[in-house]
Amino acid sequence: KAGVTQTPRYLIKTRGQQVTLSCSPISGHRSVSWYQQTPGQGLQFLFEYFSETQRNKGNFPGRFSGRQFSNSRSEMNVSTLELGDSALYLCASRSGGTKNTEAFFGQGTRLTVV
Amino acid sequence: GQQLNQSPQSMFIQEGEDVSMNCTSSSIFNTWLWYKQDPGEGPVLLIALYKAGELTSNGRLTAQFGITRKDSFLNISASIPSDVGIYFCAGQLTPGTASKLTFGTGTRLQVTL
Repeated sequence: KAGVTQTPRYLIKTRGQQVTLSCSPISGHRSVSWYQQTPGQGLQFLFEYFSETQRNKGNFPGRFSGRQFSNSRSEMNVSTLELGDSALYLCASRSGGTKNTEAFFGQGTRLTVV
Repeated sequence: GQQLNQSPQSMFIQEGEDVSMNCTSSSIFNTWLWYKQDPGEGPVLLIALYKAGELTSNGRLTAQFGITRKDSFLNISASIPSDVGIYFCAGQLTPGTASKLTFGTGTRLQVTL
């Protein structure tokens, strides 16, 4: 069974630009969550999508948005990039059922804003 | 954003030694997860705990869900060089449905031969 796939692995953008990151969850998983990891703030929850609907959101500005497609693949978009958005962006896949389920992470996308 | 208190922050141990680390929270969680992260990679799930007081093993790893539901512990026995990395605890409040993970600050483990 393939794991969680995130593309691209590395990205360099200029301040003010926008960026789109992609995540393909484990086959059969319907929940995709996004996290931002920085040395200063650690791992912080951005949002979760389940069956194409955002059902939980962290404390990030509106410049951070996402969506989920019918095949459960998810994209995350950051507009008007700031230097502080440089981070490792991680996607987590869960089955999303009613029982407690573990979250499995992709390798992440390393975003550098210059 | 919120982070759980994890200690120690870093450890430098010799190969073959046992390792203990813990994670504490001011609020209750329904699930505790332990992850290991290598540089430049995503966290890899090690152990999941679902019940207060639960003790679960995965090879040389043993983790416990504290009875207060506000803490968790991870032990690694007979450490080996490949145990090097950063270990994170994560708490999940809502079972199954809408949920998010709150992560600890991490414990950096370094192993010498």
